[in-house]
Amino acid sequence: EIVLTQSPGSLSLSPGQRATLSCRASQSVSSTYLAWYQQRPGQAPRLLIYDASRRAPGIPDRFSGSGSGTDFSLTISRLEPEDFAMYYCQQYGSSLPWTFGQGTKVEIK
Amino acid sequence: QVHLQESGPGLVKPSETLSLTCSVSGGSISSGYYWNWIRQTPGKGLEWIGYIYFTGSTNYNPSLKSRVTMSVDTSKNLFSMNLSSVTAADTAVYYCARGIPFDPWGQGTLVIVSS
Repeated sequence: EIVLTQSPGSLSLSPGQRATLSCRASQSVSSTYLAWYQQRPGQAPRLLIYDASRRAPGIPDRFSGSGSGTDFSLTISRLEPEDFAMYYCQQYGSSLPWTFGQGTKVEIK
Repeated sequence: QVHLQESGPGLVKPSETLSLTCSVSGGSISSGYYWNWIRQTPGKGLEWIGYIYFTGSTNYNPSLKSRVTMSVDTSKNLFSMNLSSVTAADTAVYYCARGIPFDPWGQGTLVIVSS
């Protein structure tokens, strides 16, 4: 099983600032099959990024993803009030079971 | 736009079977996607339970494989999950979701395992 470790556990920032979230895999993720999800309180997760760097339809361009192999990152270029939430990475490569990171909470400073 | 909605009992007794259904609207369940179940607990976070294809082909998380069964009803455009021999550790919010990666998700349903 691929273990995904997200860092930091929480991030305290102000609106307008840049957020960089990290996701490290215990082994290489095949074909960059890595996704990022946003979860607001009381809501289901929402797909932001897939294939490590492709934005899902309707996702603002302030969200970007990068990385390959075992190291991936999600960047939010300028935080908007609605961006303060939990973020999860998830791998969906050929190595089952598909797994999630433990999450990073982006909080308002 | 595809919409998924979970349904099922919110309370299940220990050792019994948890049964959930995911109704799909706005699109056909036979359209070629994987249809997934995922759960979320405060302790373990998000956990993929497994998927079913519209043909009935399945793949389960090895950690739950001995207790999970999934089925699909293309005539009703829904898919279902049974989790047997539940314990308090199975208390979670259960989500259904389409495809790989998972998009969209249902709103989730809280299932509490308690006597």
